[in-house]
Amino acid sequence: DAKTTQPNSMESNEEEPVHLPCNHSTISGTDYIHWYRQLPSQGPEYVIHGLTSNVNNRMASLAIAEDRKSSTLILHRATLRDAAVYYCILANFGNEKLTFGTGTRLTIIP
Amino acid sequence: ETGVTQTPRHLVMGMTNKKSLKCEQHLGHNAMYWYKQSAKKPLELMFVYNFKEQTENNSVPSRFSPECPNSSHLFLHLHTLQPEDSALYLCASSQLRDPREKLFFGSGTQLSVL
Repeated sequence: DAKTTQPNSMESNEEEPVHLPCNHSTISGTDYIHWYRQLPSQGPEYVIHGLTSNVNNRMASLAIAEDRKSSTLILHRATLRDAAVYYCILANFGNEKLTFGTGTRLTIIP
Repeated sequence: ETGVTQTPRHLVMGMTNKKSLKCEQHLGHNAMYWYKQSAKKPLELMFVYNFKEQTENNSVPSRFSPECPNSSHLFLHLHTLQPEDSALYLCASSQLRDPREKLFFGSGTQLSVL
């Protein structure tokens, strides 16, 4: 299974953009890139996913490198409610299960 | 509110007890999952059900017994657990077993085994 690598922790100031990186150098052509986040005392929450093109939704943007070996989750204007552990995960047909790593713990500084 | 409800939220049990965790989804999904999250460890997939049929068992000990009577309900029956089984147990669902589908998680059951 292709694996992802994320920094253990990051900090950002409130109301500033946040760029959360993820490396997936062994990604296959059919792997979808998913991002979830887990707030304290809650289950993980879907954020965004993509295959090749950059994606935007109301929560975030996903920028995927041209060679797909890395991606970046962008929170355009961080709030205190965005403090969570963010997981970058790969999934493909034949291996649809989402395998969670240790993620990045994001701290927002007021 | 994710549409996936887990009960109870907290459970304390002795090693000789038998208890069950319940998960219910109101989303019309066809796939349901049990995950285990131990302290300071990644989520581990335990079981997958697709259209009520178990399609994955990730080498989970037999003291954990899942049951999926219909596409909306998922149970995890527990018996003779060990203290190391103490963890957050999360249920999730998705429309299909498809890598493009989102997973919707419940808030979990925090289990303590004494």
